[in-house]
Amino acid sequence: DTAVSQTPKYLVTQMGNDKSIKCEQNLGHDTMYWYKQDSKKFLKIMFSYNNKELIINETVPNRFSPKSPDKAHLNLHINSLELGDSAVYFCASSQGGYPGLAGGGTGELFFGEGSRLTVL
Amino acid sequence: AQSVTQLGSHVSVSEGALVLLRCNYSSSVPPYLFWYVQYPNQGLQLLLKYTTGATLVKGINGFEAEFKKSETSFHLTKPSAHMSDAAEYFCAVSGGGGFKTIFGAGTRLFVKA
Repeated sequence: DTAVSQTPKYLVTQMGNDKSIKCEQNLGHDTMYWYKQDSKKFLKIMFSYNNKELIINETVPNRFSPKSPDKAHLNLHINSLELGDSAVYFCASSQGGYPGLAGGGTGELFFGEGSRLTVL
Repeated sequence: AQSVTQLGSHVSVSEGALVLLRCNYSSSVPPYLFWYVQYPNQGLQLLLKYTTGATLVKGINGFEAEFKKSETSFHLTKPSAHMSDAAEYFCAVSGGGGFKTIFGAGTRLFVKA
């Protein structure tokens, strides 16, 4: 039973289209994330939700809109896709945040297998 | 602000040789440090972590890392490389930002037969 699952695993689409990626975790965690991994393997955080509340929103274009309907799900919708959006998008989850915070967890992130987006 | 620098984007070792992957960090608060491994076409999985306490931490698959505050380092080692260790390795730091984990650029480990 997969802990963090993402769908679809592969997306190939044309510039200007809109696409969505879905993520679900069955670990009972309260925090979920979207990371973007570029062609050079560099990982950058995009968004984080804690108990369905947006807590991290990095400098990501407005074309990217996350949505967390409940603690177990975090979806990512991308409008007007551009060539530069081509990447692997990883969903991750954790219990709590920084271990030093009140209510903080272990800090360990659990990743999905990634969704490879190719924009033509 | 926090940052992570991994020295060497590629490291090549022979099977049975020592593996040493270098990581230096910068953090304005006590850091929590992690090493993750990524196999081809897979997500990242935790190898080991340092939070508090013992500075030498052991992880899965025979890997270990030592937190050295004076050197702001958290290098990853394994005494004897195996072909199955070939993968991308990421050092990461957490803390201060609450929920943000910052990753290094990654080091690709090649293992030669």
